[in-house]
Amino acid sequence: DTGVSQNPRHKITKRGQNVTFRCDPISEHNRLYWYRQTLGQGPEFLTYFQNEAQLEKSRLLSDRFSAERPKGSFSTLEIQRTEQGDSAMYLCASSLKWGKLFFGSGTQLSVL
Amino acid sequence: QQQVKQSPQSLIVQKGGISIINCAYENTAFDYFPWYQQFPGKGPALLIAIRPDVSEKKEGRFTISFNKSAKQFSLHIMDSQPGDSATYFCAAGGSNYKLTFGKGTLLTVNP
Repeated sequence: DTGVSQNPRHKITKRGQNVTFRCDPISEHNRLYWYRQTLGQGPEFLTYFQNEAQLEKSRLLSDRFSAERPKGSFSTLEIQRTEQGDSAMYLCASSLKWGKLFFGSGTQLSVL
Repeated sequence: QQQVKQSPQSLIVQKGGISIINCAYENTAFDYFPWYQQFPGKGPALLIAIRPDVSEKKEGRFTISFNKSAKQFSLHIMDSQPGDSATYFCAAGGSNYKLTFGKGTLLTVNP
């Protein structure tokens, strides 16, 4: 299967800890997106990359959040000093420049 | 804040019936309107999408109807099946494909 892969699938952490998620996009896709989804809501845009460049960040992405995409391949999303309000599903998606978004199955974060 | 408003929040239909989900948007700069289907524990998957230069697009049992003047679009699922039971999201986006999603509609198709 050459779809978008996200790891881990589930993460439980204590408030104040740092967490990092990984996304491996479809290999030929140059655009990569991070979204956040809470229960009963649609996905909310966080940030996106074209190749290795981070082109846009949502106001939702506080300074505790950082995303990288070294060499335009996989991407990581780090949350520092997690808060209970960070509990959500973090979704990664990839696309070609003018193509449709393909989503991964997400990482479910629970902050205790 | 750009918004996409989706209704109904939940929908129950009988097998073989027609499921209709509606969305309205505010930003006239949007030029791409996809619908996504999401099963529990999975990410959203693209069903069908439309651009504002056409009023309708059909793919199999799924049809999008688009009304540019009213800034509304809808998803019609013909001959609904129990396997269609899922959460459906409308979305809207511009040329960078950053999407703004609706809050979703939980569809249940009874056998």
